Amino acid sequence: ETGVTQSPTHLIKTRGQQVTLRCSSQSGHNTVSWYQQALGQGPQFIFQYYREEENGRGNFPPRFSGLQFPNYSSELNVNALELDDSALYLCASSLPGQGGYEQYFGPGTRLTVT
Amino acid sequence: AQTVTQSQPEMSVQEAETVTLSCTYDTSESNYYLFWYKQPPSRQMILVIRQEAYKQQNATENRFSVNFQKAAKSFSLKISDSQLGDTAMYFCAFKVQGSNYKLTFGKGTLLTVNP
Repeated sequence: ETGVTQSPTHLIKTRGQQVTLRCSSQSGHNTVSWYQQALGQGPQFIFQYYREEENGRGNFPPRFSGLQFPNYSSELNVNALELDDSALYLCASSLPGQGGYEQYFGPGTRLTVT
Repeated sequence: AQTVTQSQPEMSVQEAETVTLSCTYDTSESNYYLFWYKQPPSRQMILVIRQEAYKQQNATENRFSVNFQKAAKSFSLKISDSQLGDTAMYFCAFKVQGSNYKLTFGKGTLLTVNP
């Protein structure tokens, strides 16, 4: 069974640029959630995708957007990067119906905005 | 809105001893789940233990157990026989039962196990 994977591991961008982060969910998991974890903080929920549709969103501006593909992999896109976007971005997958409440996390992508 | 508070930013314990990490939460929901996640320096978040709010019995997973006090909205984690590999950030998290799987996390407690 393949776990949750994320790419890239690290990324450095300049303020105002755009970035795309990628996540492959655990085998068979059809739900993907994205979290932002600032340094020294707990993860903050960005949004969740279920069967290719957004299924809940946290308190993040529209420049944070996402996609989920038919194979359940997902992308997080951030436009007009700001310095405060520097964080660890975590992806988590889950499978509703089998407990449903357990989310399996990937190792994260460390984004630095300069 | 739900909030999760972890009042201990850092804790340390000697190997083989027992340590308890505190967590309180606030919610108006009656059906929910509580979790403890571990995030080692390698960054991958790992589920340690979970508790369904409707269950009165405290959850136990090997050396890890919780003290769930629903009326007090308290959910502490006890680690027995601490091991060096337990060194990590520990996050308490909350999820409302339902279709949205949003987890609300506390700020975390950095636990260091000393040899």
